Amino acid sequence: DGGITQSPKYLFRKEGQNVTLSCEQNLNHDAMYWYRQDPGQGLRLIYYSQIVNDFQKGDIAEGYSVSREKKESFPLTVTSAQKNPTAFYLCASSTGQEEGYGYTFGSGTRLTVV
Amino acid sequence: KQEVTQIPAALSVPEGENLVLNCSFTDSAIYNLQWFRQDPGKGLTSLLLIQSSQREQTSGRLNASLDKSSGRSTLYIAASQPGDSATYLCAVPRSNYQLIWGAGTKLIIKP
Repeated sequence: DGGITQSPKYLFRKEGQNVTLSCEQNLNHDAMYWYRQDPGQGLRLIYYSQIVNDFQKGDIAEGYSVSREKKESFPLTVTSAQKNPTAFYLCASSTGQEEGYGYTFGSGTRLTVV
Repeated sequence: KQEVTQIPAALSVPEGENLVLNCSFTDSAIYNLQWFRQDPGKGLTSLLLIQSSQREQTSGRLNASLDKSSGRSTLYIAASQPGDSATYLCAVPRSNYQLIWGAGTKLIIKP
């Protein structure tokens, strides 16, 4: 079945550490996204990538970094510069304009700072 | 600037009732409108995607309509079940692939 796989499901980070969240898709979508969700809050866009080797900052990119070396993969690194990283992180991919921007989401990674 | 609003913010109904969730948007020039469901602590599940040229889409007990001229979409859930309890989100894309989200409607179906 086609879909998006996020790992790990739960992640614990010590103060000052960088951690990387994995996102893999087998939908052959060009565009991929990272969102952050805080309790009781809506989704906020961190980074997005429309094509391999290219990505753009979203609304809350500070303290995060991404890479897009392969079409299937869009890992997110939460750096020590992110002062409040505890949140639920969602990865998504979408079809393009011609196909109507249909989005598919992964099951999320819950990051906790300890 | 496109804004998406969902009313009501929360809804609690007895099992078996038919119900309607509302989504409104300020700019009618949209590519599509998508409805999602999110269970507590889980990712989002795509329910229905209505292209700008369509008036409605159906999947099982769900029916979503789109009226671009009035800037409205409705999600109709027939014969509601406790398993339908979740937060329902609608979203429309900007031209550069990003989604603009409504705040969601938290639905509780009481057995």
